[in-house]
Amino acid sequence: ILNVEQSPQSLHVQEGDSTNFTCSFPSSNFYALHWYRWETAKSPEALFVMTLNGDEKKKGRISATLNTKEGYSYLYIKGSQPEDSATYLCAKRGGGGNKLTFGTGTQLKVEL
Amino acid sequence: KAGVTQTPRYLIKTRGQQVTLSCSPISGHRSVSWYQQTPGQGLQFLFEYFSETQRNKGNFPGRFSGRQFSNSRSEMNVSTLELGDSALYLCASRNGNDLNSPLHFGNGTRLTVT
Repeated sequence: ILNVEQSPQSLHVQEGDSTNFTCSFPSSNFYALHWYRWETAKSPEALFVMTLNGDEKKKGRISATLNTKEGYSYLYIKGSQPEDSATYLCAKRGGGGNKLTFGTGTQLKVEL
Repeated sequence: KAGVTQTPRYLIKTRGQQVTLSCSPISGHRSVSWYQQTPGQGLQFLFEYFSETQRNKGNFPGRFSGRQFSNSRSEMNVSTLELGDSALYLCASRNGNDLNSPLHFGNGTRLTVT
């Protein structure tokens, strides 16, 4: 993996479904992994900043795990709601100050 | 506490012109970063300022420049605009010197170059 990659690119789920997406990144020179939620017509909002291998974070129905050795992070949403519809971005900080390298995002649409 | 404020929200310029975008960070935040988003691309890092000093710069040509003032407000300038500069430009501020604190983004400036 040379860049930060996210999959799937887009996802349609039904209200109440649980879902997850993947962020893959180069495992070398790892300092932190950020997750952001970006709703249409709003600004990206931070969900989690993860730094340690095996780290798990949770915020309400959303949780994330991190594997720095193999270079991936999973974001889980339990019981999706229409208000969860957004683009979810991950970004790696690989040293060099505050520069974040972003993936292109996973666009989630939750339908009634 | 007011969020990150970017002005203007929308801008239309002609090729060859220059443009200045402004960003006011959250009060007390001394780090300001700029990102560019074009269709199909992830957010691309432009530069970061901390206490009026540029700390990092992304892989953009010298036509892209920035500065930060003593009140932490930041401006970004693009000279000799090209069609490819059409993008959403996002500014983000961060609390303190903790590199693991999250970024707080503004709503962005949508620049269209014709």
